[in-house]
Amino acid sequence: QSALTQPRSVSGSPGQSVTVSCTGTSSDIGGYNYVSWYQQHPGKAPKLMIYDVSKRPSGVPDRFSGSKSGNTASLTIAGLQAEDEADYYCYSYAGSYTLVFGGGTKLTVL
Amino acid sequence: QVQLVESGGGLVKPGGSLRLSCAASGFTFSDHYMSWIRQAPGKGLEWVSYINTGGATIYYADSVKGRFTISRDNARKSVYLQMNSLRVEDTAVYYCARARGIGGYVGYFDSWGQGTLVTVSS
Repeated sequence: QSALTQPRSVSGSPGQSVTVSCTGTSSDIGGYNYVSWYQQHPGKAPKLMIYDVSKRPSGVPDRFSGSKSGNTASLTIAGLQAEDEADYYCYSYAGSYTLVFGGGTKLTVL
Repeated sequence: QVQLVESGGGLVKPGGSLRLSCAASGFTFSDHYMSWIRQAPGKGLEWVSYINTGGATIYYADSVKGRFTISRDNARKSVYLQMNSLRVEDTAVYYCARARGIGGYVGYFDSWGQGTLVTVSS
């Protein structure tokens, strides 16, 4: 199972919005609504930010939102803040009891 | 609050073995799937294995199939990863994570441990 495809990096200024894409296939993202997003700061464990494509866990700011169209999922962060600078990973169930993550995207807040 | 604490990492020679443990607290352990996920230095996340609530349903990534064994002890609220025939490319931080799953599907990972570093080197 190949990793989902994410851009290596994205950037934005404080207050702006950025979107991170995650492209898969009809066997993973396109086939299931089990898409989630994780934020990871350097040296820290990943943190769940979005699950089931667009749901936010308790405690995650509503500036974070998720969506999916076809084989591509997206994470949008509105009103960028300095503390949003981190690596972001997408995840999807990929069928046949296989799980797959994206390669990760480094978000830089300018 | 949910807490997952991994242990057992360290330096091992290629071909060697290591057993990782993850102790859970703050939730009903036996109600949840559990998973191991790893991250090689400077690289992304890679799913390794997951196990259902009772321990009867287990799946592995192709990269570790036949070498790693996941197990759980619901009485001890712990999940384990026995790693045999270790390779240099198995070097990574290994995270224990609580998985939200049903019917064998895993939807997401809502709690993660701090990770334990496994280094495979001669």
